[in-house]
Amino acid sequence: DQQVKQNSPSLSVQEGRISILNCDYTNSMFDYFLWYKKYPAEGPTFLISISSIKDKNEDGRFTVFLNKSAKHLSLHIVPSQPGDSAVYFCAAREYGNKLVFGAGTILRVKS
Amino acid sequence: GAVVSQHPSWVICKSGTSVKIECRSLDFQATTMFWYRQFPKQSLMLMATSNEGSKATYEQGVEKDKFLINHASLTLSTLTVTSAHPEDSSFYICSARQRDRGRYGYTFGSGTRLTVV
Repeated sequence: DQQVKQNSPSLSVQEGRISILNCDYTNSMFDYFLWYKKYPAEGPTFLISISSIKDKNEDGRFTVFLNKSAKHLSLHIVPSQPGDSAVYFCAAREYGNKLVFGAGTILRVKS
Repeated sequence: GAVVSQHPSWVICKSGTSVKIECRSLDFQATTMFWYRQFPKQSLMLMATSNEGSKATYEQGVEKDKFLINHASLTLSTLTVTSAHPEDSSFYICSARQRDRGRYGYTFGSGTRLTVV
């Protein structure tokens, strides 16, 4: 049973436009959410996080929105750059500090 | 920023042999280390959680006698794949939870590509 779902396997965006990556979860006990960027054969790199008590967190070009009632979060990247092309993972923290990952979304930013 | 050094980055071994993967936190103390496995085009699957000085907690379906985890110090955790078989070929990644980070810092190693022939 997938507790964290990223239903879009891939996303293609033009450089300069907005990239929106979505993530849904089922476990209402998750209290912290994170987004990671990953290149092939490398470890994930932390991008941005949000606590379940907030609905928005912004860091430069990256903004994460959390809708607890819908159990949905999204990552906005504005403006998108070719260097943003990578796999993006949504992760949720559960009791015991374990992170549960989604399947990832491949983002391609075209120049 | 926090750095986790993982090595080797890739290793090829023969069936039946054992392989050890190391993860070191370079500039912080990692009270908790997580070990993940990633299959091609799939998500990161948590294998086990280890706390310094205690036995690792394995996820359901992960053989603890096959994947030996040692977390003997606050800066070093190791994963040993014993009697490796081709089906153990995968990408293994460690992650360290920082002890004094109030914002739940999880730093990942660069991963190890294991190929068993």
